[in-house]
Amino acid sequence: QKEVEQDPGPLSVPEGAIVSLNCTYSNSAFQYFMWYRQYSRKGPELLMYTYSSGNKEDGRFTAQVDKSSKYISLFIRDSQPSDSATYLCAASPAPAGNNRKLIWGLGTSLAVNP
Amino acid sequence: DSGVTQTPKHLITATGQRVTLRCSPRSGDLSVYWYQQSLDQGLQFLIQYYNGEERAKGNILERFSAQQFPDLHSELNLSSLELGDSALYFCASSVATSGSYEQYFGPGTRLTVT
Repeated sequence: QKEVEQDPGPLSVPEGAIVSLNCTYSNSAFQYFMWYRQYSRKGPELLMYTYSSGNKEDGRFTAQVDKSSKYISLFIRDSQPSDSATYLCAASPAPAGNNRKLIWGLGTSLAVNP
Repeated sequence: DSGVTQTPKHLITATGQRVTLRCSPRSGDLSVYWYQQSLDQGLQFLIQYYNGEERAKGNILERFSAQQFPDLHSELNLSSLELGDSALYFCASSVATSGSYEQYFGPGTRLTVT
């Protein structure tokens, strides 16, 4: 079992839909959770970063962590064709010195259709 | 533009050969991470360096090695190349101070082994 599981999709939605992307994790030591967006043939870019449980909102994006169920979610409101990309979740335990190793999900491919 | 640069963009080489991939981190970032991304394995963490020293190791093969130089740029050396080493190789950098998990990715090097 991978430490971070993510449904690879693909997920296809109409423009304007609310998108829900999810990951589960198995390591209860994970404290830091991140969502990255990766366009085709480009490097991943950081979207959202949360510590422990709770919600964090940034514009149309909301990240949610439920540590009791080991569930990580990313919601995209009013989705746009430009949101079409692969979304990767990542997690990490509390830092050990300068070790910032992230454990990655496989990514979910999202297509937003005009 | 993340501020992380990687060269070359593309590399085509034959089995058994050796190649060197180069990465320059963002200005001020002390940590460099190397990742391999293939279609079936997703993003795989290889190794992390912090200020010239190895800090964390992932699924890095013995045929692969890396180093970080005093000017903080890093090189990933891949030797005795096999067809299965064909992948995108990403470098990321971060400040890696307490509480900082944000990694910034370069555009990647696409390696094709024939």
